[in-house]
Amino acid sequence: KAGVTQTPRYLIKTRGQQVTLSCSPISGHRSVSWYQQTPGQGLQFLFEYFSETQRNKGNFPGRFSGRQFSNSRSEMNVSTLELGDSALYLCASYQGQNSYEQYFGPGTRLTVT
Amino acid sequence: KNQVEQSPQSLIILEGKNCTLQCNYTVSPFSNLRWYKQDTGRGPVSLTIMTFSENTKSNGRYTATLDADTKQSSLHITASQLSDSASYICVVFRNTGFQKLVFGTGTRLLVSP
Repeated sequence: KAGVTQTPRYLIKTRGQQVTLSCSPISGHRSVSWYQQTPGQGLQFLFEYFSETQRNKGNFPGRFSGRQFSNSRSEMNVSTLELGDSALYLCASYQGQNSYEQYFGPGTRLTVT
Repeated sequence: KNQVEQSPQSLIILEGKNCTLQCNYTVSPFSNLRWYKQDTGRGPVSLTIMTFSENTKSNGRYTATLDADTKQSSLHITASQLSDSASYICVVFRNTGFQKLVFGTGTRLLVSP
């Protein structure tokens, strides 16, 4: 069974631009969570989706948004990029609403210059 | 406040030596605790999962312990190998609530030849 895939793996953007990251969960998994990881803050929760509905959202500004499609694939978008948005963005998928067996993708390394 | 604290922040050991990483948490309601290994630039991979009633669990050269009374966990690595160089993240899962996963900031381990 293929693991969680994220595209692109690496991305360089300039301040003020916007970016869209993609996550394809493990086949059969209907839940997807997104996390931002920086050296100083560790893993910070962004949002969680189940069956195309956002269930939870972390404490991030409105510039961060996401969505989930009917095939469970998910995208997250960051508008008006700031230098501080440089991070590894991780996606995790799991089967149901309350499964704790989360499988992480390899991440997308975003660098904002 | 739900928090997970890990120590040390970083550690350098010689190949073949043992080491122990610590995790203290103040998270409730507690569901389970996991240790993840994260190689540089990759997503975290689960090493062990421990529920409230479990004291020790092993996965090869990795042995995790849990003391639910003192809310402490440790990860012991035996006969370290160069491939053990990575960040080790302690994650506590909550039964309910907005954010079900509470992440530690990790311990960065470097195994030196």
